[in-house]
Amino acid sequence: QTVVTQEPSFSVSPGGTVTLTCGLSSDSVSTTYYPSWYQQTPGQAPRTLIYSTNTRSSGVPDRFSGSILGDKAALTITGAQADDESDYYCVLYMGSGISLFGGGTKVTVL
Amino acid sequence: EVQLLESGGGLVQPGGSLRLSCAAPGLTFSSYAMSWVRQAPGKGLEWLSAIRGSGGGTYYADSVKGRFTISRDNSKNTLYLQMNSLRAEDTAVYYCATHPFGSGNYYKGFDYWGQGTLVTVSS
Repeated sequence: QTVVTQEPSFSVSPGGTVTLTCGLSSDSVSTTYYPSWYQQTPGQAPRTLIYSTNTRSSGVPDRFSGSILGDKAALTITGAQADDESDYYCVLYMGSGISLFGGGTKVTVL
Repeated sequence: EVQLLESGGGLVQPGGSLRLSCAAPGLTFSSYAMSWVRQAPGKGLEWLSAIRGSGGGTYYADSVKGRFTISRDNSKNTLYLQMNSLRAEDTAVYYCATHPFGSGNYYKGFDYWGQGTLVTVSS
């Protein structure tokens, strides 16, 4: 059973930088997994931040960036703001049409 | 701005069926692969199913394979999810989402999202 792993929680200071990661229990993440990232606040629909590793969705500010760091996908938030406090999910494409979500990371800005 | 409008959610008994719809007015609908994603109360997001822009390829998570059927009517700009043999664990908010522009881009993540429709399976 393949699992997509994310840190359960992260804390960042206002104006600071945080890097969230997205890994695989059974492999290294590369661009061939087309990692993508989503932000969700309670009671709201998800919002796409990044798809295909590092392509920002329309309207997403450039302080959100995606990359591959070592054997994981990464989402970096620079200049953290209070309204960045959200849950962040990654998705990996597993082949054969199957996409798999990570468990999400709760980011607190304080 | 892209709008995705889900409907069809509600209360259904275990073993029952429901059909969800997702309308995409104004979108070049056939140019987008589409997916359904759900979120159980207090839980994370779960991808369920995807369909190519042409409707010619469909894909399912193991948790719903054989019970749920994804389809689309490009003439109506509408995506569907037929849900049969519903279980209590299917209780969730169901979202439709586009994949990035390109009818075959079902592997590149999601782009636009609807607001979701709540499905409750309970007796």
